[in-house]
Amino acid sequence: GDSVTQMEGPVTLSEEAFLTINCTYTATGYPSLFWYVQYPGEGLQLLLKATKADDKGSNKGFEATYRKETTSFHLEKGSVQVSDSAVYFCALMLTGNQFYFGTGTSLTVIP
Amino acid sequence: EAGVVQSPRYKIIEKKQPVAFWCNPISGHNTLYWYLQNLGQGPELLIRYENEEAVDDSQLPKDRFSAERLKGVDSTLKIQPAELGDSAVYLCASSESGGNSYNEQFFGPGTRLTVL
Repeated sequence: GDSVTQMEGPVTLSEEAFLTINCTYTATGYPSLFWYVQYPGEGLQLLLKATKADDKGSNKGFEATYRKETTSFHLEKGSVQVSDSAVYFCALMLTGNQFYFGTGTSLTVIP
Repeated sequence: EAGVVQSPRYKIIEKKQPVAFWCNPISGHNTLYWYLQNLGQGPELLIRYENEEAVDDSQLPKDRFSAERLKGVDSTLKIQPAELGDSAVYLCASSESGGNSYNEQFFGPGTRLTVL
């Protein structure tokens, strides 16, 4: 069935380190792909999205490219900050606004 | 503009008791979602409304869970009776409706339920 698999955490990085959180998907048809972020004590927020193959979503220094050939949508940031500490969720959407979320990856950035 | 409002934020009950959660979506958002989020997991859809109609409730355990959105605005999710395994965070989200393109979902802060 349709699903999202993302890298297990927790991930701990030093400030200014490079971040990659892997996400792969299984889906029928042509899904749209998303990264959501959940800061401590807050609700999920959309971080970035890509609606078709080869699209690159970007926001707040984060990037992810929709790779149809590898069914992936890995999240990257070149230099993380302490304020990026949060849980990151990869998700896909099929037609009819059907959403499937990954299990989340917790990121802690230490000064 | 106010975001998605949920109440209560926290609820502790004993098993077999009933519990209800309330959600007020962003004004003008016709689509409303209820999700269940277990610890260490991603959100899982329970039910989706388009206005007052439940268009996807396939994952809602109908023996004990019920939901309503009578006037197509705010919504209530109920569990009766609650079981220990229902302890989780219940998330509400809303989005605009229409078309085949993506309509961003806006999430509320959730209600954390603990069943003792």
